[in-house]
Amino acid sequence: GAVVSQHPSRVICKSGTSVKIECRSLDFQATTMFWYRQFPKKSLMLMATSNEGSKATYEQGVEKDKFLINHASLTLSTLTVTSAHPEDSSFYICSAGTGFPNQPQHFGDGTRLSIL
Amino acid sequence: GENVEQHPSTLSVQEGDSAVIKCTYSDSASNYFPWYKQELGKRPQLIIDIRSNVGEKKDQRIAVTLNKTAKHFSLHITETQPEDSAVYFCAASRTRANAGGTSYGKLTFGQGTILTVHP
Repeated sequence: GAVVSQHPSRVICKSGTSVKIECRSLDFQATTMFWYRQFPKKSLMLMATSNEGSKATYEQGVEKDKFLINHASLTLSTLTVTSAHPEDSSFYICSAGTGFPNQPQHFGDGTRLSIL
Repeated sequence: GENVEQHPSTLSVQEGDSAVIKCTYSDSASNYFPWYKQELGKRPQLIIDIRSNVGEKKDQRIAVTLNKTAKHFSLHITETQPEDSAVYFCAASRTRANAGGTSYGKLTFGQGTILTVHP
């Protein structure tokens, strides 16, 4: 149980393109989803917390207009990297929780984004 | 906010030896401490977790200890095997509530430990 599906797994696109990444909880309802960014050989940095039906909460230093998050249902959250540039290249990972505190977060497989 | 420090950054052991990774946290309100294993290019996978109402938890070769007073927790892997080689992350979480009143746990991760188990 507790499967989180993330798509696409890899994206290569030109600078200026907007890229949408989907995160789905397949067998449970995820009231809360999280979006992380991970640089090579580094830890996971939380970008934003996405709550179903409400606005996302962004971490300090993360541009809201650059990284658009939508959590329209209990099983789907999307991250759109708008007008992507080479410095946005990274590994983006989502995770989902049931909404109960002190319960595990379950991670998607991640998306390797490369901007040329 | 919460700050989690993890040591060592790299750890090399011989197969069969034990491995210990330590983390400290700053927020005394943190009450949930998971450990994740991440292989190269793959998702972090939960290997064990502990809540603040217990001091130790064990699952086969893996154990975690928690000292709330000192605000540190440790991962212990016994009888290490080459397939244990990976990056290990500790994390700390405290309960938060959004504007709608829904509670959730926000994880803060340590810097990670690259564990290499030599055959």
